[in-house]
Amino acid sequence: GENVEQHPSTLSVQEGDSAVIKCTYSDSASNYFPWYKQELGKRPQLIIDIRSNVGEKKDQRIAVTLNKTAKHFSLHITETQPEDSAVYFCAASKAGTYKYIFGTGTRLKVLA
Amino acid sequence: DTAVSQTPKYLVTQMGNDKSIKCEQNLGHDTMYWYKQDSKKFLKIMFSYNNKELIINETVPNRFSPKSPDKAHLNLHINSLELGDSAVYFCASSQVNRGTEAFFGQGTRLTVV
Repeated sequence: GENVEQHPSTLSVQEGDSAVIKCTYSDSASNYFPWYKQELGKRPQLIIDIRSNVGEKKDQRIAVTLNKTAKHFSLHITETQPEDSAVYFCAASKAGTYKYIFGTGTRLKVLA
Repeated sequence: DTAVSQTPKYLVTQMGNDKSIKCEQNLGHDTMYWYKQDSKKFLKIMFSYNNKELIINETVPNRFSPKSPDKAHLNLHINSLELGDSAVYFCASSQVNRGTEAFFGQGTRLTVV
């Protein structure tokens, strides 16, 4: 069945360093890949997304890359700050379906 | 204006009871979902509805019965609650034909004792 693997499960970085989270999806027909940030006790909120016709997208300190051939996509956060500490989820979906398949989450800790 | 709102935020109840969680979205989306987030933070889809019609039921026990009176509302009723039902339940909505993100409600933390 459809599956999204996410690594690492936990990630600790020093403030100012970069963080990279990687995901692999199984369904080659997937064409939409959102990334969500979930702070403690809060709802998941979209931080960036990418579609299958784009290889890279950037929004200030956050970027996402997509390799359709390898079915990999990654989240890159540069110049990390303590407020970046949260659980991050990748997800995959495809047009015409009615679900988002989520990765298992990465708990990011940014150490001041 | 809250885009996706669900109530209650917290629910503590005894095993065997029946409870309901309500969800409403004011985004005009056609599709609504229920996701379950367990203690390990895994987000798993339970149901999705499109224009009030059930589209996906991801092998959820029959004790869980969603109801969508209109496309802006998706409620979840749970019968005979079990300890293993304890989790955070998130309602979400999206516009599937645009291929955009899902917006989540604030979650309902259900604790079965």
